[in-house]
Amino acid sequence: EVQLVQSGAEMKKPGESLKISCKGSGYDFSNYWIGWVRQLPGKGLEWMGIIYPDDSDTSYSPSFQGQVTISADKSINTAYLQWSSLKASDTAMFLCARLEYQTNSGWFVGSWGQGTLVTVSP
Amino acid sequence: DIQMTQSPSSVSASVGDRVTITCRASEGISIWLAWYQQKPGKAPNLLIYAASRLQSGVPSRFSGSGSGTDFTLTISRLQPEDFATYYCQQAKSFPYTFGQGTKLDIK
Repeated sequence: EVQLVQSGAEMKKPGESLKISCKGSGYDFSNYWIGWVRQLPGKGLEWMGIIYPDDSDTSYSPSFQGQVTISADKSINTAYLQWSSLKASDTAMFLCARLEYQTNSGWFVGSWGQGTLVTVSP
Repeated sequence: DIQMTQSPSSVSASVGDRVTITCRASEGISIWLAWYQQKPGKAPNLLIYAASRLQSGVPSRFSGSGSGTDFTLTISRLQPEDFATYYCQQAKSFPYTFGQGTKLDIK
């Protein structure tokens, strides 16, 4: 069974750094793109970026380029999302997602992590 | 980026009703479209991919159609567990943008 298990909820202050994780199991972690999706409170889903763990090839959505860093350690089947200096506006749920590709179907998410709630408050 | 626009933003319906949600892409995406259901506090769940292919385990009352720029998700006979928020997602090019969501609630 494919599983993505995310690290627990975080409460941080503005200006602090943070790194959250997403550990995959039940499949060949290195060879599936993993993405991070932000969901602001009461709002919709936004792609932040994606990474291919085998070679750490990474793409960022323009809105998130330079704001976060996505990385992966294939030796421990884990992807990461990190901030160097959090802002109150970073308060959101963050979901990791395993992308699947099929010819004539494109890219879609077959498996999701359970989400990590990040709260940034003075 | 490809923009995805869903309508309506919210809809109220009763158990047993038929509901249709539409999704429009800002450029042609062939059949490269997926639909997800999300319940409060939970991760989304894949319902349909390739515009009309039902994900394994999803009830047959869910169906999808469309190609190019215009797509629909139809729920034929609403069940209590279907009240949730639904998102479309273009599956053609990164970022794989989502629609803004359609909240389906009980009338």
